[in-house]
Amino acid sequence: EIVMTQSPATLSVSPGERATLSCRASQSVRSNLAWYQQKRGQAPRLLIYGASTRATGIPARFSGSGSGTEFTLTISSLQSEDFAVYYCQQYNDWPYTFGQGTKLEIK
Amino acid sequence: QVQLVQSGAEVKKPGASVKVSCKASGYTFTSYTIHWVRQAPGQRLEWMGWINAGDGDAKYSPKFQGRVTITRDTSASTAYMEVSSLRSEDTAVYHCAREGRYGEYADYWGQGTLVTVSS
Repeated sequence: EIVMTQSPATLSVSPGERATLSCRASQSVRSNLAWYQQKRGQAPRLLIYGASTRATGIPARFSGSGSGTEFTLTISSLQSEDFAVYYCQQYNDWPYTFGQGTKLEIK
Repeated sequence: QVQLVQSGAEVKKPGASVKVSCKASGYTFTSYTIHWVRQAPGQRLEWMGWINAGDGDAKYSPKFQGRVTITRDTSASTAYMEVSSLRSEDTAVYHCAREGRYGEYADYWGQGTLVTVSS
């Protein structure tokens, strides 16, 4: 099973600033990587698939990059509604697996 | 609009079974695969399995193989996930999700169903 490791566990950023979240795979997942946002009490929301393609309706301030084993989610200018937990997920190999999450909190 | 609506919260005793439903609307049910993902308290999300809503083919994560059964009823546009031999560690929120158009990510999610296993 591919292990996904996210860093940092918690990221404190001020509104308007840039946030950079990292995700590492224990073996190559090519570009078969998705990012999700989850707010308390809600289901995850798809942000990015294919490592860099924004899902329908996702603002342009969200961008994804990387391939193979190293991936990054960047939020260019944080809005109040962006403070949440973010998960990466690989879908290259079954069983599909998630990272443990990065909590993005207001500084 | 695409919607996945799940059945309500359940409380079960250890050793019992639970069956969660996921009713789809807003798209052609048989054209997409439905996945099941769970989130136990303090744990990362876990992918449990999926079902091709068209042909009914199902696949399970090795962790859940033999204890989880995923089915669907095309006439009701509904998928089901049953977990047997419940134990306390199965206490979690269970989500159904629709597979994306371009890969095995989840583009639409159900609201989640809390299953509590307690004696």
